[in-house]
Amino acid sequence: DQQVKQNSPSLSVQEGRISILNCDYTNSMFDYFLWYKKYPAEGPTFLISISSIKDKNEDGRFTVFLNKSAKHLSLHIVPSQPGDSAVYFCAASYGGSNYKLTFGKGTLLTVNP
Amino acid sequence: EADIYQTPRYLVIGTGKKITLECSQTMGHDKMYWYQQDPGMELHLIHYSYGVNSTEKGDLSSESTVSRIRTEHFPLTLESARPSHTSQYLCASSDPSGQETQYFGPGTRLLVL
Repeated sequence: DQQVKQNSPSLSVQEGRISILNCDYTNSMFDYFLWYKKYPAEGPTFLISISSIKDKNEDGRFTVFLNKSAKHLSLHIVPSQPGDSAVYFCAASYGGSNYKLTFGKGTLLTVNP
Repeated sequence: EADIYQTPRYLVIGTGKKITLECSQTMGHDKMYWYQQDPGMELHLIHYSYGVNSTEKGDLSSESTVSRIRTEHFPLTLESARPSHTSQYLCASSDPSGQETQYFGPGTRLLVL
């Protein structure tokens, strides 16, 4: 049973436009959510996180939104750049699990010039 | 952010060989993790450690073993490699502040022939 779901395997956007990556979770115990970016044959790079006490966190071009009632979070990238093309993983954790991460399967983002 | 190093980056080896994948971090983090990831799939936790002489199995069963004799070093060993072990192996450590964001090394791509 997948507790973190990224239902879109891929997303294609034009350079300069907004990219919106979505993630749903089922475990109501999760209280910390993270987004990672991964290039092939490299390790994931931490992008941005959000605690369940917030509904929005912003860092430069990246904004994460959390809707606890819907158990849904999204990552917005504005403006999108070709260098953003990568696989984006959503992950979740909570203190009761000692903050072990549960990952989604990832969404491949392609930003076209 | 953690500085995490993994060697080798790529390894092609024959069935039955013993291999050790190295992981080191320079931030003095107590918590370290090993994940396995196949293309198009989520990262699966296979081992973790909360400090020296502490090791635990993760959510995904693995034939590999780990050791933690020094804080900075968390090697993973396969006593007898098989083609089913072909995968990407990712090491991470977590920042003990806040909700313990995990930072990843560059990974080792293992191909067992």
